[in-house]
Amino acid sequence: SYELTQPPSVSVSPGQTARITCSGDALPKKFAYWYQQKSGQAPVLVISEDSRRPSGIPEKFSGSSSGKVATLTISGAHVEDEADYYCYSTDFSGGHNGVFGGGTKLTVL
Amino acid sequence: QVTLRESGPALVKPTQTLTLTCTFSGFSLTTSGMCVSWIRQPPGKALEWLALIAWDGDKYYSPSLKTRLTISKATSKNQVVLTMTNMDPIDTATYYCARTVAGVNFDYWGQGTLVTVSS
Repeated sequence: SYELTQPPSVSVSPGQTARITCSGDALPKKFAYWYQQKSGQAPVLVISEDSRRPSGIPEKFSGSSSGKVATLTISGAHVEDEADYYCYSTDFSGGHNGVFGGGTKLTVL
Repeated sequence: QVTLRESGPALVKPTQTLTLTCTFSGFSLTTSGMCVSWIRQPPGKALEWLALIAWDGDKYYSPSLKTRLTISKATSKNQVVLTMTNMDPIDTATYYCARTVAGVNFDYWGQGTLVTVSS
């Protein structure tokens, strides 16, 4: 079965840039989407189609993709950015097989 | 204003069938490209995509669960229903429905409903 691999945790100091990666064999041909989930809340879309920022999402969030790796970058991270971040994409099948990565816990301290 | 709300039982017994309803507003499931998905999250664990139904009636399921899942829509009621058969304690999770654009973009989510499987 298709898998997306994320690091379990990323830690940065306040004001630093956090980078969270997501690797998958289909990413060269499929878009990655990124979701932020704060404790006890539903996920929120922060990046779509590798690098598009939805309306209302701060400019500090950006995305990129190269080869088999998509990256979510949070510039000037602060305590309020602490959350679990999940990537999502689909595999090569002709239908739709959606997969989330295992999630990355971002700690800002 | 787009909203989604999940409803269903909070507790089911092992082997029972779970039926969840997603009631939405602010968009139409008859609009081209519009879909609704179900996603779940066991306590303390990662998100898992379960199923999707599209504006044209196409349905897609997670390969690992497809034999147990059925997704359907009641367009006039603005509802999407998910059934999952043969429930097991490992299916204990918060179940979310989400508006899905072009089949992959979960841009609006419900608040989720916790389903516990226990005898």
